[in-house]
Parts: sequence; structure tokens; C-alpha cells
Amino acid sequence: GENVEQHPSTLSVQEGDSAVIKCTYSDSASNYFPWYKQELGKRPQLIIDIRSNVGEKKDQRIAVTLNKTAKHFSLHITETQPEDSAVYFCAASISGNTPLVFGKGTRLSVIA
Amino acid sequence: DTEVTQTPKHLVMGMTNKKSLKCEQHMGHRAMYWYKQKAKKPPELMFVYSYEKLSINESVPSRFSPECPNSSLLNLHLHALQPEDSALYLCASSLGQNNEQFFGPGTRLTVL
Repeated sequence: GENVEQHPSTLSVQEGDSAVIKCTYSDSASNYFPWYKQELGKRPQLIIDIRSNVGEKKDQRIAVTLNKTAKHFSLHITETQPEDSAVYFCAASISGNTPLVFGKGTRLSVIA
Repeated sequence: DTEVTQTPKHLVMGMTNKKSLKCEQHMGHRAMYWYKQKAKKPPELMFVYSYEKLSINESVPSRFSPECPNSSLLNLHLHALQPEDSALYLCASSLGQNNEQFFGPGTRLTVL
């Protein structure tokens, strides 16, 4: 089955700097890659997703890149703000009837 | 209505109790999920319902019993739980299994 590895497990950045979180997946048939943000005590919320027919997607300060050949995808947050502090989970799934497989999460701390 | 709701928000139960968790969505989603999340870990899939039929059971112990009475409701019946079952139980829904999943706020369960 699919396996998703996520790095780093913790990341601290200064406010205004960029943050990058990377994930690799094992099953080349995976074609949907969402990123979730989970603040302390809150539900996971989708912040951006990408499908395998696209190499990059951007939404304001957040972008995701996908390299299908290398089977990895990355989350980029620019101009980080303290409210970006949270745990971020990547996930992957194969179209059809397979559910999401989550990475182990990255705890991002943005220091003011 | 664009939210998944869950009740109760918190639940404390003894090992001999029977209780139920409830989840509701009115977004017309046909896939609904139960996840278990321990502190500092990613959500762990328990069950998937697709078109009101159980499609995935991730080898969950029988003390957890899911039920999908209709396309908007998902229940999780709990009986004879163990202290290690204490966790945040998240419900999610999606249009199909390869679409964005919307998470509910979760039920924080404590088993004494």
C-alpha cells in the first residue's frame, strides 16, 4: 500500500522567512496530494491540494509543487506569520476507492 | 451548510459504558470517514462509508461499531473501551473518496 514520508518533523522560522515541508510517496499511482493545517485543539483544515496532472499550484502565500518522477511534493509558505504556527500534514491517495494516507506531520513554529 | 458537525465535543466514559459519537453533514457528500487521532500524531483511518455502505474497515476492534443511518449521518458506537482508546475522534466527509475531505471538530474521548 501507499506510504507517505514527511520531513522535517519540526521546523522553526523567523517571521517573514519562508518555510518548506517535503513529502515523498511510494505508489506511483497516487494522483491526489492535499495539505492540511491543524492548529492546537482544532480540526485539520485543507490549505491547498494538487493533482498529478499539475506540477505547481499557488494560493497567495502558499504553494505546492509536485515531482511525479521523483515521487515527492512540497509545501512552500512565504512571508510566514505567527498565525502560520501549526502542525501541517501532507497526504496522498490513488483515484478510485482508496482513502488518504497521511504523513506524520510537521510542527511549524513561526517566531515573531 | 458547508460544515461537518460532531457531538458530543467531549466524552468521558468508563470501560463498561456504552456511548455513541455522532457526525452530520449536509453537503451532499457520499463518502464519510471515522479517524482516531492521538496527540502529536496524524489522523488514523478507522472506517470509510461510501454511499452509506461500509467500504473500508481498517482492522478496528469490534468494541468500535460504525453505523450510517442515511447519507447525512454517521455514528460510532462505543462499548467496553480501554484507556488506550482515549483520543480525538474525527469525522470527515468528501464528495467522493478522491476529493477534498472536510473534517468535523472532533470528539475528545477519555476512557477511565
